[in-house]
Amino acid sequence: DSGVTQTPKHLITATGQRVTLRCSPRSGDLSVYWYQQSLDQGLQFLIHYYNGEERAKGNILERFSAQQFPDLHSELNLSSLELGDSALYFCASSARGAGYNEQFFGPGTRLTVL
Amino acid sequence: AQTVTQSQPEMSVQEAETVTLSCTYDTSESNYYLFWYKQPPSRQMILVIRQEAYKQQNATENRFSVNFQKAAKSFSLKISDSQLGDTAMYFCAFMKRTGGGADGLTFGKGTHLIIQP
Repeated sequence: DSGVTQTPKHLITATGQRVTLRCSPRSGDLSVYWYQQSLDQGLQFLIHYYNGEERAKGNILERFSAQQFPDLHSELNLSSLELGDSALYFCASSARGAGYNEQFFGPGTRLTVL
Repeated sequence: AQTVTQSQPEMSVQEAETVTLSCTYDTSESNYYLFWYKQPPSRQMILVIRQEAYKQQNATENRFSVNFQKAAKSFSLKISDSQLGDTAMYFCAFMKRTGGGADGLTFGKGTHLIIQP
């Protein structure tokens, strides 16, 4: 158990809909990263939040957005869903300090768009 | 931008054998980290081993070791005395050291390793 929790574990929805994925980082971790794992694109970095502020964007679509709340949990919002958005969505958290900080991955949320 | 390439989609070896997974990368960065992650059928991402680019010594973690060739931009993973529990997808990953890892990890496509009994 990495200490990172993600809800829900599975989500099935229809094209055009909007969903919200939730991530709670390890206690004390200020950074949250979101990743998407799909058959077509593989594992790719979406976005990084640190202590409530966006730090970096990766290959995140404009239909997707994220935020990190004062209690440090994060939500990834996916809208106007398409079949190709079906994927496993991971969040990872890390501490913030000098030097290297390992990213600890949550168990993922499996999104199926029908 | 950096890219990570894993040229072996799938490998299969017998239990107790040694296996080497290949990874090459391309970057203009001079300070970075390289990683191997394991993803078993449970889909959990597990860090296997990490290498700092500024260190010449190859990292080792028990049965896992790497061969890091910075000039060649090569980063292979050797698994000794392979076990059935090593069966998993293995991902090579890159992270810039500058900016505190803000840009996240860049992953290769993965190698599916099967350990046969």
